[in-house]
Formats: sequence, structure tokens, C-alpha cells
Amino acid sequence: GAVVSQHPSWVICKSGTSVKIECRSLDFQATTMFWYRQFPKQSLMLMATSNEGSKATYEQGVEKDKFLINHASLTLSTLTVTSAHPEDSSFYICSARDLIAERYNEQFFGPGTRLTVL
Amino acid sequence: SQKIEQNSEALNIQEGKTATLTCNYTNYSPAYLQWYRQDPGRGPVFLLLIRENEKEKRKERLKVTFDTTLKQSLFHITASQPADSATYLCALEGGTSYGKLTFGQGTILTVHP
Repeated sequence: GAVVSQHPSWVICKSGTSVKIECRSLDFQATTMFWYRQFPKQSLMLMATSNEGSKATYEQGVEKDKFLINHASLTLSTLTVTSAHPEDSSFYICSARDLIAERYNEQFFGPGTRLTVL
Repeated sequence: SQKIEQNSEALNIQEGKTATLTCNYTNYSPAYLQWYRQDPGRGPVFLLLIRENEKEKRKERLKVTFDTTLKQSLFHITASQPADSATYLCALEGGTSYGKLTFGQGTILTVHP
């Protein structure tokens, strides 16, 4: 149980285009999903917290107009990188928390999406 | 500012030995400390969670200790195997960052046959 999927697993796009990444909790409901970015040989950096039915909370330094997050249901959150540039190339990972109380503090991560902007 | 440090960037050990990884933190009062495993090109996989009022937790060949006085957690893998080779991340939650995880930079463990 507690599987999180991401789609696509990798994407290559031209500079200036927008890219949408989906994050789904497959076998549980998640009121809260998180979006992280990881550059090579660095750790995960939290970008934003996504709550179902409300606006996302962005970490300091993350542009909310560039990284649009939508959490339309208890099993789906999307991250759209708008007007992508080469410096946005990174590994984007989402995670979700299960509503079940006893494992609420665990976060289940998706497999990640490798974005390359040419 | 809050800081999390994992003792070394890389750790090499021989198969069958115990691997010990360290996670230190400053300016932080975590309610929970978690350890994750990450393989190249993949998302982290949850391993163990330990609460601030717990000293030790075990799961199969894994053991985690949590010393809130020293502000340190130790992560042990006993009878290590080459399949244990991966990057191990510690993550903290609590204080002003409750509900969010802050990750250390990770330790790359390589277990040689």
C-alpha cells in the first residue's frame, strides 16, 4: 500500500514552454501533498505544500506564478512549470501523507520527474 | 538558522559489517526524525520514524537512535549487503516547520562484496 505515482517520469522541453507534472496517490487519500526539487548531488528542497481544495503554500524563494500547483482531489496534485528555462532543469519529486492516523507522519514519495529544458 | 548535517558524504564498508550513519542538527526542536533511502534517479523510500520521546527504534536489520540532548540520530544497518548501497537521507519535522520535512544532504553508502 501507500503508492504514489508521477507522470511523466521524464520530459524534455524547449525554453519558454510550460510543463505539467502529475502526482497521484494510488491506494490512499491524501489531503496534503508536497512538491520537492532536487539538483544533482544535492538534497531535496521543499518547494510548496499542496492542500486539497485550497491554495498551495510556497517556501521562501519559490515563485508561485512560475510553479503553479493545483490539488483538485484527494488523490491528485499537479505542478505546472510555466515558461520553463534551462535553470528549471531538475528532478521534481512529490510526496503525500496518508489520512490514516497511525501513519500520518510518514511521507510517501513518488518516483520523481526529470525535467530538462533546452 | 536551522541546519541538518549528515556526517559524511560517502561511506564505504565491507559486506557483513555494520554501517553507521550520523545525522546532527542545530537550532531545531524536531518532533520526529525520519530516515529515507534514495536510489539514483528515484524518489526517497521511507525506512523508519522516531519520535522525540523515543530513544531507539528497530526494524529488521535497521536501528535508529535519537538523542535530543546531543541533537543527533544514528542510523545502523547490521549485516550489510551490497543491495544496501544507496543514499540515505535523514529528515526532521517539528518546531516552526511542523508538517514539513527538512532533509539532510544525504550519505552515499557503498557496501563492497
